[in-house]
Amino acid sequence: DAGITQSPRHKVTETGTPVTLRCHQTENHRYMYWYRQDPGHGLRLIHYSYGVKDTDKGEVSDGYSVSRSKTEDFLLTLESATSSQTSVYFCAISVGLPGNTIYFGEGSWLTVV
Amino acid sequence: GDSVTQMEGPVTLSEEAFLTINCTYTATGYPSLFWYVQYPGEGLQLLLKATKADDKGSNKGFEATYRKETTSFHLEKGSVQVSDSAVYFCALSDHKTSYDKVIFGPGTSLSVIP
Repeated sequence: DAGITQSPRHKVTETGTPVTLRCHQTENHRYMYWYRQDPGHGLRLIHYSYGVKDTDKGEVSDGYSVSRSKTEDFLLTLESATSSQTSVYFCAISVGLPGNTIYFGEGSWLTVV
Repeated sequence: GDSVTQMEGPVTLSEEAFLTINCTYTATGYPSLFWYVQYPGEGLQLLLKATKADDKGSNKGFEATYRKETTSFHLEKGSVQVSDSAVYFCALSDHKTSYDKVIFGPGTSLSVIP
């Protein structure tokens, strides 16, 4: 158990509304990530953070923003949700050196209708 | 660029059968290698890892050896159980300046029947 909590776990929202997913970790790890998982595409990195207020884009960042104002919290915001953002979203953290290991949260199932 | 290739399945085995899921990788550096398992409706759980050549990762009866000469990290289990039914992901991790770049394979779905 890497101490990662995601909320909400399940959400249905309407097209055009903003949505924020929260990732909370209990162990003060520096690196945090948001991935999405889709059939046929596997896991894709949306955004990552390497410290408080330090974030950068992953491979599928369009339509998403993130914030990290505290070490333990990493927020993912869908600025105006679209049906193509219906997905399962996983938060992850890196732990340890060398060969940092990525640990995942339990996922947030988002449906945009 | 870095990549991971694994057999996609689905793989169906009878209980107590031997399991092999092949995984090969390409990488420019010296990555760490991982197997993750995902049960239906759940997140990805780390199953095992190896951080350098010839390391063997093992957990819950599963094993995989980091083979640099063949760029492979095949997952094996001697006797599978119904509870092993899940999707298995091979992955590599390469630390970059500001994050750990993780490349996942497409996943292999395993069904074990009694």
